[in-house]
Amino acid sequence: NAGVMQNPRHLVRRRGQEARLRCSPMKGHSHVYWYRQLPEEGLKFMVYLQKENIIDESGMPKERFSAEFPKEGPSILRIQQVVRGDSAAYFCASSPPLSGANVLTFGAGSRLTVL
Amino acid sequence: AQKITQTQPGMFVQEKEAVTLDCTYDTSDPSYGLFWYKQPSSGEMIFLIYQGSYDQQNATEGRYSLNFQKARKSANLVISASQLGDSAMYFCAMRGGIQGAQKLVFGQGTRLTINP
Repeated sequence: NAGVMQNPRHLVRRRGQEARLRCSPMKGHSHVYWYRQLPEEGLKFMVYLQKENIIDESGMPKERFSAEFPKEGPSILRIQQVVRGDSAAYFCASSPPLSGANVLTFGAGSRLTVL
Repeated sequence: AQKITQTQPGMFVQEKEAVTLDCTYDTSDPSYGLFWYKQPSSGEMIFLIYQGSYDQQNATEGRYSLNFQKARKSANLVISASQLGDSAMYFCAMRGGIQGAQKLVFGQGTRLTINP
């Protein structure tokens, strides 16, 4: 009965490289959310996805960031041409259908360091 | 727009004492939910307690209780009989009404340190 699984837990990239963060939701959960936590700050909403659909991406930076949740496999948060300001913890959360955010379960986070 | 304010950057408390972590919120939605999460040094986000805006009673979960004062727009977390393992960052968060149901808005957090 695994929870929300995120990998890698730690990722180091040089400026200009690409970062891919993966999230497998809890069993039975079809809604995935991505949040970003900058150092010494609270989490900030980035994007909300259901299988094969982006429902709300109002928190995503306009450039370089994209997210997907394919029919098969984990959700992917992709950051192209990373910059130092992208260094942060990226949290994935999932919930069952029709529950809104009442029962969000968070993963352990992926910590991205950009050198 | 929704906003969460946590005015205590850090709190230091003696073990076994009770501690109150402050949280005020701002929203124009008639229906909303309030959450508290704990983030230990290992980094994961641990759900502690939830209060719905229409709930008549304050939420309780073991040693955690939420002091919900709707007129004052405050949702303070009370931890009774604090333990060394309670040392962590604590975040207050809000879920909006139907429109914002999928998003949580987080405060800046309070770092709680329990002294032996």
